[in-house]
Amino acid sequence: QTVVTQEPSLTVSPGGTVTLTCASSTGAVTSGYYPNWFQQKPGQAPRALIYSTSNKHSWTPDRFSGSLLGGKAALTLSGVQPEDEAEYYCLLYYGGTQVFGGGTKLTVL
Amino acid sequence: QLQLQESGPGLVKPSETLSLTCTVSGGSISSNSYYWGWIRQPPGKGLEWIGSIYYSGSTYYNPSLKSRVTISVDTSKNQFSLKLSSVTAADTAVYYCARGGQWEPVDYWGQGTLVTVSS
Repeated sequence: QTVVTQEPSLTVSPGGTVTLTCASSTGAVTSGYYPNWFQQKPGQAPRALIYSTSNKHSWTPDRFSGSLLGGKAALTLSGVQPEDEAEYYCLLYYGGTQVFGGGTKLTVL
Repeated sequence: QLQLQESGPGLVKPSETLSLTCTVSGGSISSNSYYWGWIRQPPGKGLEWIGSIYYSGSTYYNPSLKSRVTISVDTSKNQFSLKLSSVTAADTAVYYCARGGQWEPVDYWGQGTLVTVSS
């Protein structure tokens, strides 16, 4: 069974920069996994942030960016705001099936 | 602005079939060749992809749920639906519908609906 792994939790100071990663049990993540990233706040539906590794939706704030880093998909937040405190999930495509990562709880402190 | 809304029973008995419908408004389910998907989230846990359907009816399912899942589309009603059979308490979750899936962006989500499996 394919497992997608994210950091369980990260803490960042307001105004700082943080990178969240998304690894696959099958090996290096490439653009062919079409990584998506989502933000979810308590009691709300997930909100899409990034698709196809690095593409932003029209509503995605500029401070969010996606990339591939060291064989993983990565989401970088630059100039973190208090409202960025949330759970973040990645989603990878495996040729007919898709798997979510376990999520990263980001604390802004 | 595209909107998705889940609907269906909030309580299902063990061993019965969970049935949910997602109604799409603000756009046609059969235009622009999108996939449409179902995702669930057990209370306090992470997201799990259930499956996706293309507007033409082609489906892709999570292998761990494949034997119990059926996703269908009704383009005349601008809706797509989820059926999950032989449910147990482990199927208790918030169920979301969304546009996108497979290699396409997952962008718009419904607000989610809580389904509890209990006698």
